Amino acid sequence: NAGVTQTPKFQVLKTGQSMTLQCAQDMNHNSMYWYRQDPGMGLRLIYYSASEGTTDKGEVPNGYNVSRLNKREFSLRLESAAPSQTSVYFCASSGRRGSLQETQYFGPGTRLLVL
Amino acid sequence: GQQLNQSPQSMFIQEGEDVSMNCTSSSIFNTWLWYKQDPGEGPVLLIALYKAGELTSNGRLTAQFGITRKDSFLNISASIPSDVGIYFCAGNTGNQFYFGTGTSLTVIP
Repeated sequence: NAGVTQTPKFQVLKTGQSMTLQCAQDMNHNSMYWYRQDPGMGLRLIYYSASEGTTDKGEVPNGYNVSRLNKREFSLRLESAAPSQTSVYFCASSGRRGSLQETQYFGPGTRLLVL
Repeated sequence: GQQLNQSPQSMFIQEGEDVSMNCTSSSIFNTWLWYKQDPGEGPVLLIALYKAGELTSNGRLTAQFGITRKDSFLNISASIPSDVGIYFCAGNTGNQFYFGTGTSLTVIP
């Protein structure tokens, strides 16, 4: 089991460029998430997908789009990158234990620098 | 978004000492999770708690799900240098996860 994998690990973009961050999980989880982590801000939710075919906005969705391609894969797209999107991006997935409990696992992160 | 109150914010301890940190919330959670994050890495799940009052151990780590379901603590016994990192808690309700601000742990050999 690889768990949650992300590509790329690092990326440098110029302002206005676009890119897609890829995420995949092999734990058969229904829910997947994209977070960004900035110094002093903690983890902030960008988008999540509770199940294949559904996506919902999180706390900081502006400037991003997502696609839940299938149960395994959840991608994050920056259409026109801005310096404010310089951050570390984490993908996560969660599995349900019982009727209420979820346990969440994170990928290794993508470090993005927008110049 | 909601953040959990996690304390202390940072700790500097001698190798071999025990460590305790906790998280509190104004909301009730169904699950409490504790993670460790090393520099340049993603958060790694240490312990998951599913039931009020539950006490769970993972090696030298012990965590408890508070009876009120609004708090949790993590203890590390006999700390070693590789315990260095940022520890943070997370609570789950429905599809949403809420995170603590993290405790930065430094272990002095």
